[in-house]
Amino acid sequence: KAGVTQTPRYLIKTRGQQVTLSCSPISGHRSVSWYQQTPGQGLQFLFEYFSETQRNKGNFPGRFSGRQFSNSRSEMNVSTLELGDSALYLCASSLGAQAPYEQYFGPGTRLTVT
Amino acid sequence: AQSVTQLGSHVSVSEGALVLLRCNYSSSVPPYLFWYVQYPNQGLQLLLKYTSAATLVKGINGFEAEFKKSETSFHLTKPSAHMSDAAEYFCAVNPVSGGYNKLIFGAGTRLAVHP
Repeated sequence: KAGVTQTPRYLIKTRGQQVTLSCSPISGHRSVSWYQQTPGQGLQFLFEYFSETQRNKGNFPGRFSGRQFSNSRSEMNVSTLELGDSALYLCASSLGAQAPYEQYFGPGTRLTVT
Repeated sequence: AQSVTQLGSHVSVSEGALVLLRCNYSSSVPPYLFWYVQYPNQGLQLLLKYTSAATLVKGINGFEAEFKKSETSFHLTKPSAHMSDAAEYFCAVNPVSGGYNKLIFGAGTRLAVHP
């Protein structure tokens, strides 16, 4: 089976712009979670989608949003970018239907905000 | 709120030596526990998971971890380190109830392996 794919792998944006990141889960997985990784804050949970519904949300401002499509692919959007949004954004997929919720991660999208 | 503490941000061992990476969690109800590894410029790879079936869990690449409820610990070990084990290791918990797929990560431990 193909793994989790994320596009693009690298992105450079300017403060104030917005950005959309994409994630394609492992075939058959219906849950997609997003995480932000920075040197200062480590790995932090952003949100999780299951069958097109947001099931869980982390403690991030409303500038961070996401959605999931009927084929389980997911996108996350960050509006009005700030320098502090520079990070590695990781997507993880899971069958999601039943514990223990084993999550498989993609390679990440490295976002640099200048 | 649940949290994960990884003791030691950097651990250095010699090739062939025992690897011990420490992880403690805070939760009144034992959560699901995971260890992930991250190589440079890559995503996270699942090493092993604890789901209450067995307290000693074996994972990939010769790693194993033991769940100790009395100590709220889930330390990762490998009997003999290889150069290829050099990476960053993350312990994570997923709450049993209401957490769905929400991993709470420790700060990570960077493992260096010397020849």
